[in-house]
Amino acid sequence: NAGVTQTPKFQVLKTGQSMTLQCAQDMNHEYMSWYRQDPGMGLRLIHYSVGAGITDQGEVPNGYNVSRSTTEDFPLRLLSAAPSQTSVYFCASSLQGGATDTQYFGPGTRLTVL
Amino acid sequence: AQSVAQPEDQVNVAEGNPLTVKCTYSVSGNPYLFWYVQYPNRGLQFLLKYITGDNLVKGSYGFEAEFNKSQTSFHLKKPSALVSDSALYFCAVRALTGGFKTIFGAGTRLFVKA
Repeated sequence: NAGVTQTPKFQVLKTGQSMTLQCAQDMNHEYMSWYRQDPGMGLRLIHYSVGAGITDQGEVPNGYNVSRSTTEDFPLRLLSAAPSQTSVYFCASSLQGGATDTQYFGPGTRLTVL
Repeated sequence: AQSVAQPEDQVNVAEGNPLTVKCTYSVSGNPYLFWYVQYPNRGLQFLLKYITGDNLVKGSYGFEAEFNKSQTSFHLKKPSALVSDSALYFCAVRALTGGFKTIFGAGTRLFVKA
């Protein structure tokens, strides 16, 4: 199993550009989520999905869109990039999103918005 | 609202000495507590979790954590630190009141000196 994969690893955008961060998992997990990691703030939940076709907002959803057309893929779209979105983005998955489920994280995407 | 506090930004310890990384939490109801570790330029990896039962939880790489309900703490410990334990450690909590979303602490950087 490849686990959770993310592409690209690094990205530089100009303010106002849009892009999609890709996330895929091959563990047949129902629950997937996107976090951003900023220094001194831990990880903050952006969006999550409890299964194909179902998504919901997390703690910091503004400026981001998600969709879940398949169990395997959960892309994160930045609609119009802003410098405040400079961060490291992690995708994670777990079996069903239950309270006791362990989350598995991808290697991250480091995004810089100029 | 649920929250997690990691009161130390950084912990320094000599190789071979015991280490403790502190975590306190605030939730309504029963907490489900997790520790994750992040090595440089990598995603988070699961170390251990407390769900119910024995207050002392053993995890990967010789780490353990003790759940203390009265002090609302879940400190991470290891009897003998290794240089390779140097990393960023995150405590996380889930609870019914938070819809079982995972709330992460800000992280504690552990430096183990040879």
